[in-house]
Amino acid sequence: AQRVTQPEKLLSVFKGAPVELKCNYSYSGSPELFWYVQYSRQRLQLLLRHISRESIKGFTADLNKGETSFHLKKPFAQEEDSAMYYCALGSGGYQKVTFGTGTKLQVIP
Amino acid sequence: GAGVSQSPSNKVTEKGKDVELRCDPISGHTALYWYRQSLGQGLEFLIYFQGNSAPDKSGLPSDRFSAERTGGSVSTLTIQRTQQEDSAVYLCASSYLGQGSQPQHFGDGTRLSIL
Repeated sequence: AQRVTQPEKLLSVFKGAPVELKCNYSYSGSPELFWYVQYSRQRLQLLLRHISRESIKGFTADLNKGETSFHLKKPFAQEEDSAMYYCALGSGGYQKVTFGTGTKLQVIP
Repeated sequence: GAGVSQSPSNKVTEKGKDVELRCDPISGHTALYWYRQSLGQGLEFLIYFQGNSAPDKSGLPSDRFSAERTGGSVSTLTIQRTQQEDSAVYLCASSYLGQGSQPQHFGDGTRLSIL
């Protein structure tokens, strides 16, 4: 069975501090990982996906198959990063995506 | 339209009534998903459509919940005999079908409140 765990419901950091939002997954096949973000009063949207290996808004995430993790990182948090972040696991051709429970990031000015 | 459209944006109804929620996906998106978002529960998968067929209905909480999709486009989620625990935000998402999991595009959701 697929499972995504985001252990922190709330993460508060000061502006300029590094951010790491944790995500661990459980899946026996070849995983496809995503991070989605929901800013206040906006719709849920894709932030990044592991196969793209890109940095979006300063965020990066590396898939670590050994630790079954896909943590989201940013070296210097900005106030506009405050949002709800969801880690998601896709199962390849099947298309079903399993979402974690989300972490609310609060950047303190 | 430019994005996924859901209606109504808000729905307040009495316990025991039936409700119908609508989703207009992005044109050309073959895959369509329904999720339920409850406070502290994250996103709960309900059902997935590939075209007009639903290969995975495993997330529907009970037989009071049903969904259909017609013309490979609009989808409706129906909840019969609503209960207070049905109160949540119901999100719809659509995506292309391709090799591997594709990014999903979400609507604004329907906030359902059962009195």
